[in-house]
Amino acid sequence: DTAVSQTPKYLVTQMGNDKSIKCEQNLGHDTMYWYKQDSKKFLKIMFSYNNKELIINETVPNRFSPKSPDKAHLNLHINSLELGDSAVYFCASSQQRLNTEAFFGQGTRLTVV
Amino acid sequence: RKEVEQDPGPFNVPEGATVAFNCTYSNSASQSFFWYRQDCRKEPKLLMSVYSSGNEDGRFTAQLNRASQYISLLIRDSKLSDSATYLCVVTLFYNTDKLIFGTGTRLQVFP
Repeated sequence: DTAVSQTPKYLVTQMGNDKSIKCEQNLGHDTMYWYKQDSKKFLKIMFSYNNKELIINETVPNRFSPKSPDKAHLNLHINSLELGDSAVYFCASSQQRLNTEAFFGQGTRLTVV
Repeated sequence: RKEVEQDPGPFNVPEGATVAFNCTYSNSASQSFFWYRQDCRKEPKLLMSVYSSGNEDGRFTAQLNRASQYISLLIRDSKLSDSATYLCVVTLFYNTDKLIFGTGTRLQVFP
């Protein structure tokens, strides 16, 4: 069983479209995250949720809207996609914040054309 | 200036070599330290936490120097399977809700 799973793995879409990425973790963790890895491979946090509550919004454009229906799920919806949104998006989870290990999903490679 | 800085490499080493990576962090409020490993087109995975006294896990040794704000990772007897990008990661004591990643150091071990 995959601990943190995200879908889809690949997403190719046109500028201006709206798309969603889903994430689920079966580890019983309280905290979930979205990270973005850009073309230079730099990983940067976007959002952090703890028990369905938003903890961090790291100056991400409001075209990006995370939604956590329960603590096992954290989905990412992106409106009006732009070329610069092309990146790999990783979902992650950890038990009670980050002095312990974070487990990452396999990533969603988003390409905006 | 990035909060966590690493030499991007690549480090190209033969099997059996010993290789060391360094990492510096700029925020003195950094509390927890980790090395993560990321294989090509895969997700990052925790390699090891880094403790103040230094710690070892098999062929891997991590050191922390808080005074110099410096972390290191030593890999002994390199294997082909060690080829990956090694990410230095910190958290801050006043905000443990995010991992702050370095840009990563790429290691390529050749036969």
